[in-house]
Amino acid sequence: EPEVTQTPSHQVTQMGQEVILRCVPISNHLYFYWYRQILGQKVEFLVSFYNNEISEKSEIFDDQFSVERPDGSNFTLKIRSTKLEDSAMYFCASSENGGELFFGEGSRLTVL
Amino acid sequence: GEDVEQSLFLSVREGDSSVINCTYTDSSSTYLYWYKQEPGAGLQLLTYIFSNMDMKQDQRLTVLLNKKDKHLSLRIADTQTGDSAIYFCAESDDGNEKLTFGTGTRLTIIP
Repeated sequence: EPEVTQTPSHQVTQMGQEVILRCVPISNHLYFYWYRQILGQKVEFLVSFYNNEISEKSEIFDDQFSVERPDGSNFTLKIRSTKLEDSAMYFCASSENGGELFFGEGSRLTVL
Repeated sequence: GEDVEQSLFLSVREGDSSVINCTYTDSSSTYLYWYKQEPGAGLQLLTYIFSNMDMKQDQRLTVLLNKKDKHLSLRIADTQTGDSAIYFCAESDDGNEKLTFGTGTRLTIIP
């Protein structure tokens, strides 16, 4: 069964460093999303992406964040200069037509 | 803004029914979802209900929606050890563009 894959599964980084989280969505899907979950808190929407542009973003998704689909298969989330409060589990999701979302297993980011 | 609330923990004996509750604030919620997250896995869509329905049944799962009280529940009949997971309630206004999730309810099965 096709699935969304995310790498790395866990990344530890120093505060101020740049981080790139990678996602390979399901191949025929056109809509892509990033969500995150800070430990003990709710899963929060970050951004949605369609037709090579951001379609919606939350207040969390400030100038430190960016997304890219560099090569037609990967969908990346970049955090330019990480802060302690960026420590969270980041979930990528994709959907074929804006319907059911399929989530990856998540990438755990720890900022020290 | 929208808010979705769930209790954090639920323990149920194997074979009993589990009922996981959720409340939401957004009166324009159109779709309400239940997702399951097993250890080390992503969020898996279990079931969803449109706001114009009040019940949906799918094998061992029953979803009840009380739109007036903005209350959603998930009932799992004959709970098994494989049902141990975190269950997330979520809502959206427009189908899936942006989901608002609850904190998740960790379901523990007692043998």
